[in-house]
Amino acid sequence: DIQMTQSPSTLSASVGDRVTITCRASQSISSWLAWYQQKPGKAPKLLIYKASSLESGVPSRFSGSGSGTEFTLTISSLQPDDFATYYCQQYNSYPLWTFGQGTKVEIK
Amino acid sequence: QVQLQESGPGLVKPSQTLSLTCTVSGGSISSGGYYWSWIRQHPGKGLEWIGYIYYSGSTYYNPSLKSRVTISVDTSKNQFSLKLSSVTAADTAVYYCARGEVYSNAFDYWGQGTLVTVSS
Repeated sequence: DIQMTQSPSTLSASVGDRVTITCRASQSISSWLAWYQQKPGKAPKLLIYKASSLESGVPSRFSGSGSGTEFTLTISSLQPDDFATYYCQQYNSYPLWTFGQGTKVEIK
Repeated sequence: QVQLQESGPGLVKPSQTLSLTCTVSGGSISSGGYYWSWIRQHPGKGLEWIGYIYYSGSTYYNPSLKSRVTISVDTSKNQFSLKLSSVTAADTAVYYCARGEVYSNAFDYWGQGTLVTVSS
């Protein structure tokens, strides 16, 4: 099975900060990587698909990059609405879809 | 605007079968191009993909749950359903239905989620 490892697990940041979250796959997944934002009690929201494509309606301060086994989600200027937990998700191989363990972005 | 809504019992006894239904509105399950999926989240934990059904009826399940999972579709009602048998406390989770896009292999629409507790 492909394992997805996110780092850090928790990130403390201030409004306006540039924030980067990393996701590593245990084997190559080409560009089949998505990023989601989840707030407490809510369903995840798709932010980025195919590693770097911005989902419609998502602010441009969110961007994704990477291919193969290493990927990053960057928030260029953290806004109050961005404090949440972020998950990466791979699609490639058995068992098709797996998620990272999550990165919680907290207020510093 | 596509919307998904889960429904079903919030409490299931151990060893029984968990049954949930997802009703899709604003789009047709029969239109193709999407994986109609179930995903769960244990309390305070990460996300686990359970399985999907395509409009044609073809299914694929997470191997870790495959022996206990059945996903079916009712295109006339624009619904798909999850059955998970022989449940234990470890199956207590928030269950989401979601639409996976064949093009992006990402989940672009989600239901609000429903908490299912396994307890006697």
